[in-house]
Amino acid sequence: NAGVTQTPKFQVLKTGQSMTLQCAQDMNHEYMSWYRQDPGMGLRLIHYSVGAGITDQGEVPNGYNVSRSTTEDFPLRLLSAAPSQTSVYFCASSYSQGLYEQYFGPGTRLTVT
Amino acid sequence: GENVEQHPSTLSVQEGDSAVIKCTYSDSASNYFPWYKQELGKGPQLIIDIRSNVGEKKDQRIAVTLNKTAKHFSLHITETQPEDSAVYFCAASGVLSMDSNYQLIWGAGTKLIIKP
Repeated sequence: NAGVTQTPKFQVLKTGQSMTLQCAQDMNHEYMSWYRQDPGMGLRLIHYSVGAGITDQGEVPNGYNVSRSTTEDFPLRLLSAAPSQTSVYFCASSYSQGLYEQYFGPGTRLTVT
Repeated sequence: GENVEQHPSTLSVQEGDSAVIKCTYSDSASNYFPWYKQELGKGPQLIIDIRSNVGEKKDQRIAVTLNKTAKHFSLHITETQPEDSAVYFCAASGVLSMDSNYQLIWGAGTKLIIKP
């Protein structure tokens, strides 16, 4: 099993550009989520999904969109990139509700200039 | 909603000594408390967790203790080794707001440095 995969590993965007961060898992997990990690702030939940076709907002959803058309994939779309979105983004998946063991991808380091 | 505070932000210990990282939480309804380890360039990985009906849990050199009355929990690492150097995150189950689902609320992280 590959676990949770994320692409790309690194990305530089100009302010106003849009892009999609890809996330896929091969563990048949129902729950998937996106976090951003900023220095001194831990992990903050952006959006999450409890199954295909179902998504919901987390703590910091503004400026991001998600969709979940299949169990395996959970892409995160930045609509119009801003410097405040410079961060490391992690995708995670879990068997149950996202409370219990979460499996994280390797992360995407995004810089917005 | 739930708030989790983690201390210290950086901890430096001599190889072979013990390390203790502490977290406090605000929501007395929280009942699940995991600890994750993040190595450089990787995503966090679960290393141990505890539920509210248990006061202590051990797994080889790591242990977690929970004090529900005081609303704090701690990670203990004994006989530290160079491979223990990483960032450690605590988390607690809780709600972000009154109308949101239960999620994990994360501490800010502790960078553990093991000195040879």
